[in-house]
Amino acid sequence: GAVVSQHPSWVICKSGTSVKIECRSLDFQATTMFWYRQFPKQSLMLMATSNEGSKATYEQGVEKDKFLINHASLTLSTLTVTSAHPEDSSFYICSAGDREAGELFFGEGSRLTVL
Amino acid sequence: GQNIDQPTEMTATEGAIVQINCTYQTSGFNGLFWYQQHAGEAPTFLSYNVLDGLEEKGRFSSFLSRSKGYSYLLLKELQMKDSASYLCAVRDEGYSSASKIIFGSGTRLSIRP
Repeated sequence: GAVVSQHPSWVICKSGTSVKIECRSLDFQATTMFWYRQFPKQSLMLMATSNEGSKATYEQGVEKDKFLINHASLTLSTLTVTSAHPEDSSFYICSAGDREAGELFFGEGSRLTVL
Repeated sequence: GQNIDQPTEMTATEGAIVQINCTYQTSGFNGLFWYQQHAGEAPTFLSYNVLDGLEEKGRFSSFLSRSKGYSYLLLKELQMKDSASYLCAVRDEGYSSASKIIFGSGTRLSIRP
């Protein structure tokens, strides 16, 4: 089946630094990828829709300048958390849909801890 | 606006049956998903309903009533490994892979021996 891979799985960084998370679709092309954030014991909150070759669409309340999304190819989207702060510590999950299946597949998730 | 409601927590006994309900009010509707998520892991796909009725897949079944904005996930012959969070999610517009999927808050299911 379709596979979506995220890297890194775990990242610890100092406050004020930037962190990049990659999301790859391994066996299908994804014109659209989605980025979610999940705080402990809460559900997934959609942050933004990443569109290949164009600007991402952000959900209300998500800072565009803080969470930079780049979807440079049909198999790769990146999320960069700029000037990270402890409150940005969370589980970030990407997902992508197989065009034919219409189903949404999730990456393994990336746990960010900002000290 | 979007509103997806499901119980926060449920407890059931190993070997029994449990039903997790989900109600939704969304601006559009083009399919309802159920996902299972173990702590610290990404969600895994369980089921997808786009038409009314019951879809059965092994020990798991999912039901949808579009007129009532209601779905349930039925888990039979519960096993300890079924202890997880179960997420109800709605695709709000379009049927393509580019359509947004919005998640409910999730139901934490605990299975006791």
